[in-house]
Amino acid sequence: SYVLTQPPSVSVAPGKTARITCGGNNIGSKSVHWYQQKPGQAPVLVIYYDSDRPSGIPERFSGSNSGNTATLTISRVEAGDEADYYCQVWDSSSDVVFGGGTKLTVL
Amino acid sequence: EVQLVESGGGLVQPGGSLRLSCAASGFTFSSYWMHWVRQAPGKGLVWVSRINSDGSSTSYADSVKGRFTISRDNAKNTLYLQMNSLRAEDTAVYYCARVGDYGDFCFDLWGRGTLVTVSS
Repeated sequence: SYVLTQPPSVSVAPGKTARITCGGNNIGSKSVHWYQQKPGQAPVLVIYYDSDRPSGIPERFSGSNSGNTATLTISRVEAGDEADYYCQVWDSSSDVVFGGGTKLTVL
Repeated sequence: EVQLVESGGGLVQPGGSLRLSCAASGFTFSSYWMHWVRQAPGKGLVWVSRINSDGSSTSYADSVKGRFTISRDNAKNTLYLQMNSLRAEDTAVYYCARVGDYGDFCFDLWGRGTLVTVSS
């Protein structure tokens, strides 16, 4: 089965840049989607197809994907960005796969 | 308003059954593939099942295969998840999610979830 690996936690000061990684075997050949989930709420799509932003998502959110690592980058981090972030792909053998999630803490 | 609203969760004993519903509104439900995703308390998101737009094709995670059945009624704009032989490890918030206009297997709309607790 296909596995996506995320760091359990990332901490960043307000105004700085947060980078959340998602590792997987040759993930660069797949389309990666990213979701933000705040406590008690449903997930929200923030990046699709590696680097595209849905309407309504700030330009501060960006993504990249190459080799064995995809990255979600949040620039000029705000307190409201504090949340859990999940990467997700589709794999022919595993169907839909989510990473384990990363808790972003804004210091 | 475009939304998904889950219902049907609750407390059930191990070995019991439950049927979840997901009511869609504000969009043409019959045009979209739909999925169920669950999240155990304090844990991450886990994919459960999917169904294509007309209900003719389904797929399941290995952990629920043979116990859960996904279905839909496009006339009622409703998605279902029939859960049988429930186990403690099935305890989770169950979300329905839409594969929307951003591409294959990308969930652009989620419900708020319904909690299923399996316990004696």
